[in-house]
Amino acid sequence: NAGVTQTPKFRILKIGQSMTLQCTQDMNHNYMYWYRQDPGMGLKLIYYSVGAGITDKGEVPNGYNVSRSTTEDFPLRLELAAPSQTSVYFCASTPAGNQPQHFGDGTRLSIL
Amino acid sequence: QKEVEQDPGPLSVPEGAIVSLNCTYSNSAFQYFMWYRQYSRKGPELLMYTYSSGNKEDGRFTAQVDKSSKYISLFIRDSQPSDSATYLCAPGGYSGGGADGLTFGKGTHLIIQP
Repeated sequence: NAGVTQTPKFRILKIGQSMTLQCTQDMNHNYMYWYRQDPGMGLKLIYYSVGAGITDKGEVPNGYNVSRSTTEDFPLRLELAAPSQTSVYFCASTPAGNQPQHFGDGTRLSIL
Repeated sequence: QKEVEQDPGPLSVPEGAIVSLNCTYSNSAFQYFMWYRQYSRKGPELLMYTYSSGNKEDGRFTAQVDKSSKYISLFIRDSQPSDSATYLCAPGGYSGGGADGLTFGKGTHLIIQP
């Protein structure tokens, strides 16, 4: 039972570099989400998708991009990394919008 | 307004005690309510969810929702050291369809002393 898998688990980037955080789920869920969690703060929604080819902005989308070409994958792209993007990033999925979300174990990203 | 308030703790109690974790929210548009448990360096794990006011019990855990007061509680009976974690309340359905995800509180850090 893989569930939601995120890679990499840890990454250090330099300011201005770009990278893609990977998220894949094997539960055939239509809805997928990206959150960030800063120390002492709740999770904030970055982007979400209700199905392949459909994405929408959440509460804190600036500096990020997403795509959803398949049901399984929902990568998150940072184009020009900034120190403010140092955070732990969580991907989640659910079969329907009002059902519980299943989370991956996160990617810890530091921008130096 | 989508604010969700939780006391961050830490809340430290002896093993076997009953724990009460609380959460308030400001927007009456929320339609469903989740409690997640998060261990250090792990993703949130669903504990309880409910779609209405009232109580829902699952083993040692009871979730309580009072929509009129916008107040959510999680009770843990016979607490164990393995319950030591951060507990996140997360109402959802703000925009009606639920597609816009959950709104998380900052979480309460719980420590169960052996």
